[in-house]
Amino acid sequence: RKEVEQDPGPFNVPEGATVAFNCTYSNSASQSFFWYRQDCRKEPKLLMSVYSSGNEDGRFTAQLNRASQYISLLIRDSKLSDSATYLCVVNYQTGANNLFFGTGTRLTVIP
Amino acid sequence: NAGVTQTPKFRILKIGQSMTLQCTQDMNHNYMYWYRQDPGMGLKLIYYSVGAGITDKGEVPNGYNVSRSTTEDFPLRLELAAPSQTSVYFCASSYGRDFYEQYFGPGTRLTVT
Repeated sequence: RKEVEQDPGPFNVPEGATVAFNCTYSNSASQSFFWYRQDCRKEPKLLMSVYSSGNEDGRFTAQLNRASQYISLLIRDSKLSDSATYLCVVNYQTGANNLFFGTGTRLTVIP
Repeated sequence: NAGVTQTPKFRILKIGQSMTLQCTQDMNHNYMYWYRQDPGMGLKLIYYSVGAGITDKGEVPNGYNVSRSTTEDFPLRLELAAPSQTSVYFCASSYGRDFYEQYFGPGTRLTVT
């Protein structure tokens, strides 16, 4: 079983749409959670950390559900510039392999 | 602030050749990491370092070596390149380890033929 699992997509949505991604993780001892954004042939960049109480940054909302071991990312009013791959990242805080990356969910926003 | 820089951007190696991927950061971060990203796979940690002179293995260290003689530099050495090492390699750094943002370099695309 993978440490972090994401639906690879692709998600093709029209401009202005709301889209949500989920990510499940296998280790209940996970300590911290992040969403990174990766543009085509570029490096990953932090989009937002995910806090237990949930958090919002403009059009982006992240939620954590520890009981069900998943995190979500909601994007409202999608823009063309949101087209990217979104990586779910989970930290286990044990040994060397403390940060686990999902394979990513690809989003394309269509005009 | 250049952030994290990597050289080269692209490289083609023949099987059995060796090379060093360079990584430098100017943010005075203690923690540095090397990842590889294969198509359809998540980033995998190769090696990491918590400070100058200290390195440790990640999830996929076989076929690689690292050194950390300064805070700024964290080169990755490939010995006896194999086709399985064809990948995109990212170097990253962070202020701390568990709850801190990792800053990534632009990556090195390596092909071994």
